[in-house]
Amino acid sequence: QKEVEQDPGPLSVPEGAIVSLNCTYSNSAFQYFMWYRQYSRKGPELLMYTYSSGNKEDGRFTAQVDKSSKYISLFIRDSQPSDSATYLCAMSGNTDKLIFGTGTRLQVFP
Amino acid sequence: GAVVSQHPSWVICKSGTSVKIECRSLDFQATTMFWYRQFPKQSLMLMATSNEGSKATYEQGVEKDKFLINHASLTLSTLTVTSAHPEDSSFYICSAREEFASGSLPKSSYNEQFFGPGTRLTVL
Repeated sequence: QKEVEQDPGPLSVPEGAIVSLNCTYSNSAFQYFMWYRQYSRKGPELLMYTYSSGNKEDGRFTAQVDKSSKYISLFIRDSQPSDSATYLCAMSGNTDKLIFGTGTRLQVFP
Repeated sequence: GAVVSQHPSWVICKSGTSVKIECRSLDFQATTMFWYRQFPKQSLMLMATSNEGSKATYEQGVEKDKFLINHASLTLSTLTVTSAHPEDSSFYICSAREEFASGSLPKSSYNEQFFGPGTRLTVL
């Protein structure tokens, strides 16, 4: 079993839709939960991070962490074609090591 | 935000040759840099952690004699793929982070790694 599981998609939605992206994990030591966006042939850029359980909102993006279920989510409201990218979840504990999911490819069509 | 560059952005080489990839933090000093490898449709996998002035720490299964890492300054780390083979063809990405004094960051703060744009290596 992988430490972090993420549905690779692809996920195709119309512009304006609400997008839900999810990851599950197995390591209860993870404390930091990140969502990265990666465009094709580019490095990942950090969208949001959450420490421990809870919700965090930033504009159209909301990150949720449920440590009891070992489940994290990223919601994108009013999705735009410019949101089309691969979204990677990543996690870490007390060490520097980031464990990434495989990424979910999102396509928002006009 | 902090900027990390990589050079080259892509490289094609013959099997058996060595390739050097540079990772630079442009507007901050990075005591620690990280090297990742990403195969198509797979997640980023940490290869090694590079510390300025000391030996790199390699992840299990990564050959340190094949993937040579040098972190000679606070803004530059290099990854050399020695005797490259077609199976080494991949997307190599580095990241860097600023260093803060121990205890100066609240526990809830994430010390962000800033990623470079990646280097596409193709070994023929």
